[in-house]
Amino acid sequence: QQQVKQSPQSLIVQKGGISIINCAYENTAFDYFPWYQQFPGKGPALLIAIRPDVSEKKEGRFTISFNKSAKQFSLHIMDSQPGDSATYFCAASPLRRAQKLVFGQGTRLTINP
Amino acid sequence: NAGVTQTPKFQVLKTGQSMTLQCAQDMNHNSMYWYRQDPGMGLRLIYYSASEGTTDKGEVPNGYNVSRLNKREFSLRLESAAPSQTSVYFCASSLGGNQPQHFGDGTRLSIL
Repeated sequence: QQQVKQSPQSLIVQKGGISIINCAYENTAFDYFPWYQQFPGKGPALLIAIRPDVSEKKEGRFTISFNKSAKQFSLHIMDSQPGDSATYFCAASPLRRAQKLVFGQGTRLTINP
Repeated sequence: NAGVTQTPKFQVLKTGQSMTLQCAQDMNHNSMYWYRQDPGMGLRLIYYSASEGTTDKGEVPNGYNVSRLNKREFSLRLESAAPSQTSVYFCASSLGGNQPQHFGDGTRLSIL
């Protein structure tokens, strides 16, 4: 049973466009939501994270939007670049037990030049 | 500063063989983790060690054992490998709590 559902599985965006990846969760105890970026042959790396006391967090071209009532959160990549081509994973955990991260299925993002 | 180092990078086993995957971190992190990554499944936590001397089960612990050898090292053992354990295994470490987890580059394991 997947506690964090991620969509789409794959996404193709033109250079300069906006990439949007969505995640939904069921466990209301989740209160820490990180996003990880993974390049081929490498391990995932933390990209950005949010807690539910804010509805949006922005770091450079990357923004997390959070909707607590809908139990959904999303990653927006503005002005997408070919170097952003990677697999992205959303994750969630209870803040007090952040070591027990539950990951989404992943989204393979391709940015066409 | 190597971060998280996993050995080996690739391994092929026959069903029933045993193997230990090694992980070491040089960031003085308290917590260490083992995940498996399968297509369409994301990463799933196998075991973790919140601090030296402690280990706990994650989401998919069956068929695996772990040892937190010291603060730097956390090993994962397959006692009797099965084809269902074919996967990419990632080790990670963190300071603990909600601090970022830093991942190694993985061990690609095939079981025939």
